Amino acid sequence: EIVLTQSPGTLSLSPGEGATLSCRASQSVPSNYLAWYQQKPGQSPRLLIYGASSRATGIPDRFSGSGSGTDFTLTISRLEPEDFAVYYCQQYGRSVTFGQGTKVEIK
Amino acid sequence: QVQLVESGGDLVKPGGSLRLSCAASGFMFSDYYMGWIRQAPGKGLEWISYISGDGTGTYYADSVKGRFTISRDNAKKSLYLQMNSLRAEDTALYYCVREYSAYDMSFGYWGRGSLVTVSS
Repeated sequence: EIVLTQSPGTLSLSPGEGATLSCRASQSVPSNYLAWYQQKPGQSPRLLIYGASSRATGIPDRFSGSGSGTDFTLTISRLEPEDFAVYYCQQYGRSVTFGQGTKVEIK
Repeated sequence: QVQLVESGGDLVKPGGSLRLSCAASGFMFSDYYMGWIRQAPGKGLEWISYISGDGTGTYYADSVKGRFTISRDNAKKSLYLQMNSLRAEDTALYYCVREYSAYDMSFGYWGRGSLVTVSS
């Protein structure tokens, strides 16, 4: 099983600041099949990034994904008030596993 | 637009059974992989199972293999999850999901979830 470890657990930032979230895999993710999701309280998760770096339909360009192999990053260039949420990475290259999540909270 | 609506969640005793359903609309159901993901209260996401568009391929997480069965009825545009031998640790909100596109199997579409509580 590919284990995904996200860091940090919590990120405390102010609106307008940039955010960098990390997702590290225990082994190489085949074909860089790595996705990122956003989940707000009481809502279903929303797909942001698939294939490590492709934005899903309707996702603002302040969200970007990068990385390959075992190290992946989600970058939010300038935090908007609606971006404060929990973010999960997920690999779907070999079965499916999720990271434990990173909470982005208002400082 | 794509809509996924789950139903069937309930309070059930340990060792009991339950069947979840997911009604899909807004897309050609038989063209897409579908799946189930769960989230225990206050916890993260856990993939449970997914099924190919024609229903011939099914895949399960180790935590539910042998207890849960995924199936679909393409004529009814419906996805199912039969859950047997339920345990307290199966308590969660169960989401129905669809793959993002025919070329990418990330989970692009999610329902609102159906709550399953396993307790005596």
